[in-house]
Amino acid sequence: ETGVTQSPTHLIKTRGQQVTLRCSSQSGHNTVSWYQQALGQGPQFIFQYYREEENGRGNFPPRFSGLQFPNYSSELNVNALELDDSALYLCASSKDRRGYTFGSGTRLTVV
Amino acid sequence: GENVGLHLPTLSVQEGDNSIINCAYSNSASDYFIWYKQESGKGPQFIIDIRSNMDKRQGQRVTVLLNKTVKHLSLQIAATQPGDSAVYFCADSGGSNYKLTFGKGTLLTVNP
Repeated sequence: ETGVTQSPTHLIKTRGQQVTLRCSSQSGHNTVSWYQQALGQGPQFIFQYYREEENGRGNFPPRFSGLQFPNYSSELNVNALELDDSALYLCASSKDRRGYTFGSGTRLTVV
Repeated sequence: GENVGLHLPTLSVQEGDNSIINCAYSNSASDYFIWYKQESGKGPQFIIDIRSNMDKRQGQRVTVLLNKTVKHLSLQIAATQPGDSAVYFCADSGGSNYKLTFGKGTLLTVNP
């Protein structure tokens, strides 16, 4: 059984650019959630996808968007990057929205 | 507000001692709680969970206690080992079926 895989592991972008982060969910899981973790803080919920539809959203602007694919993998897209978007982005997958398993994250640095 | 907070940001213990990490929550609708361990450079790792219809749950070397009257959650680690050194987060579903609300975390350091 494979775990949650995220790519890339590290990324540096310039302010104003766009970025796409990817997540492969654990085998058998149909739900993917994305979290943003600033340095020294707990993860903050961005949104969740359940069976390819957005199922809930946290307090993040519309420039944060996502997709879930038929194989339940997911993408997080961030447009018009700001310096404050620098953080660890975590993906968590689950079966029917219970028992979340996290990936190791993508470290995004905006300069 | 609907926050999950922690009483202590850091905890230092001797190897072999028992550790207790505390967490307070404010959302009375919370019905599901999880403890996660996060090591440097890694994502949160599930330790143990508990639902609001229980007040205690035990795992391997870990016990979670839930006091709904005072909205308090604790994680007890028996015979703490150097490999237990990490940041520990409690997370709360807040009655939601789609998101977890995390606190800031407690850094546990185990001294050999």
